[in-house]
Amino acid sequence: GESVGLHLPTLSVQEGDNSIINCAYSNSASDYFIWYKQESGKGPQFIIDIRSNMDKRQGQRVTVLLNKTVKHLSLQIAATQPGDSAVYFCAENGAAGNKLTFGGGTRVLVKP
Amino acid sequence: GAVVSQHPSRVICKSGTSVKIECRSLDFQATTMFWYRQFPKQSLMLMATSNEGSKATYEQGVEKDKFLINHASLTLSTLTVTSAHPEDSSFYICSATDRGNEKLFFGSGTQLSVL
Repeated sequence: GESVGLHLPTLSVQEGDNSIINCAYSNSASDYFIWYKQESGKGPQFIIDIRSNMDKRQGQRVTVLLNKTVKHLSLQIAATQPGDSAVYFCAENGAAGNKLTFGGGTRVLVKP
Repeated sequence: GAVVSQHPSRVICKSGTSVKIECRSLDFQATTMFWYRQFPKQSLMLMATSNEGSKATYEQGVEKDKFLINHASLTLSTLTVTSAHPEDSSFYICSATDRGNEKLFFGSGTQLSVL
C-alpha cells in the first residue's frame, strides 16, 4: 500500500551545524505534508507543513523542501541546538478524512 | 496553537482489567479525533478515527471490541482498552482537528503498562 518512509534512522549532528532530515513518500496523490517533532514520552509536536503547490516553505530555523518529481520531502534545521534532539516524523495527508500516514522517524542527536 | 489534553499520562494495570484514556480539545471543537498506537522506537500507527456523535472507524487489524472509542461531545473522546493484556502495553496518542482544518494537534500520550 501507500507509505511514507525515511532514509536515515539516526542523525548525529554537531551543535551549531545544520541538520537535514529526508523523507520519501509513495502516494502521488498526497497534497499536504507535515513534519512533527517528538520528544521522549511526549506526543508529536507540529513543526512545519507544506502543500503540494509549493516547493519550499520556511519557518523559524526550519525549512521544508518538497520535490514532487521524485516524491521527496526534507526538513532542514539551521544552527541545530541541544533542544532539537528528538525523533522527527514526516507525515502525509493524502487519504480521505484527514488521516495522516507517518514515516518511520529519524532520531536526531545533537552533540555539544 | 490549539491544545489537546490527554489523561492519564501513565497507567499501570493488571492483566484482565480495563483502562480508559481521555482526550480533550481545550480551546476548539474537535469534530474528528484520531487514536494512534506507538511501540518503542517505532512510528505512530493509526488505530481508529472517531467523529462526534457517530461510531468510530477502525483501521484494519484493530479489534473494535477491545479498543472501545467514544466521541460523545465535540471536546472529548475516550479510548477504553478492555481486558488488557501485556501485549497491549504501548504508548497511545490521540489527535484532534477542528472543522475544515487539516492540521492535527496531538495529545501528550499515555504510556500503558499491563502487568
